[in-house]
Amino acid sequence: EPEVTQTPSHQVTQMGQEVILRCVPISNHLYFYWYRQILGQKVEFLVSFYNNEISEKSEIFDDQFSVERPDGSNFTLKIRSTKLEDSAMYFCASSEALGGLSGANVLTFGAGSRLTVL
Amino acid sequence: KQEVTQIPAALSVPEGENLVLNCSFTDSAIYNLQWFRQDPGKGLTSLLLIQSSQREQTSGRLNASLDKSSGRSTLYIAASQPGDSATYLCAVDSGGGADGLTFGKGTHLIIQP
Repeated sequence: EPEVTQTPSHQVTQMGQEVILRCVPISNHLYFYWYRQILGQKVEFLVSFYNNEISEKSEIFDDQFSVERPDGSNFTLKIRSTKLEDSAMYFCASSEALGGLSGANVLTFGAGSRLTVL
Repeated sequence: KQEVTQIPAALSVPEGENLVLNCSFTDSAIYNLQWFRQDPGKGLTSLLLIQSSQREQTSGRLNASLDKSSGRSTLYIAASQPGDSATYLCAVDSGGGADGLTFGKGTHLIIQP
């Protein structure tokens, strides 16, 4: 069964450092997403990406964050100057289509990258 | 702003019991609702998706219902098994997909052997 692959599974970094989280979405999917889950909290939407540009972003996704699809397979989340409160599990997801009224938006999630900021 | 609430927060039942997990949402103008399963340290697995025009979906021992007008969904698990132990998350799509799903905090389910 097709999978969304995320690397690294766990990264520990010092406050103020930059981190890049990587994702390989399912090959025929067109829409890509990043979500995060702070320990004990809800899963929160960060950003969606389509056709090489950001479709939507939440208020969490400020100038500290950026996303990129550097080649035909990878989708990355960059966090500049990490803060303690950035410690969370970051999930990448992809979907074949958008939902809305015309179809199903079944997201396939990766296993997550746990980021620990010290 | 859409808010999703799940009750109960945690549930522990003996194996074999049928059980119901509840999800409520504040804005009934949704496109669809999904139930996910999350195992410790793992990603999210989509279990069922109900479009706004549907009232229920079934997959094996799972049945999800949707009452959009009252802002409620239930996930029914029949003949529970220890392997069903996980956190179950409800998520709604209020914006057509691009602006993300709004998740509840989940129900942590333990099935006792």
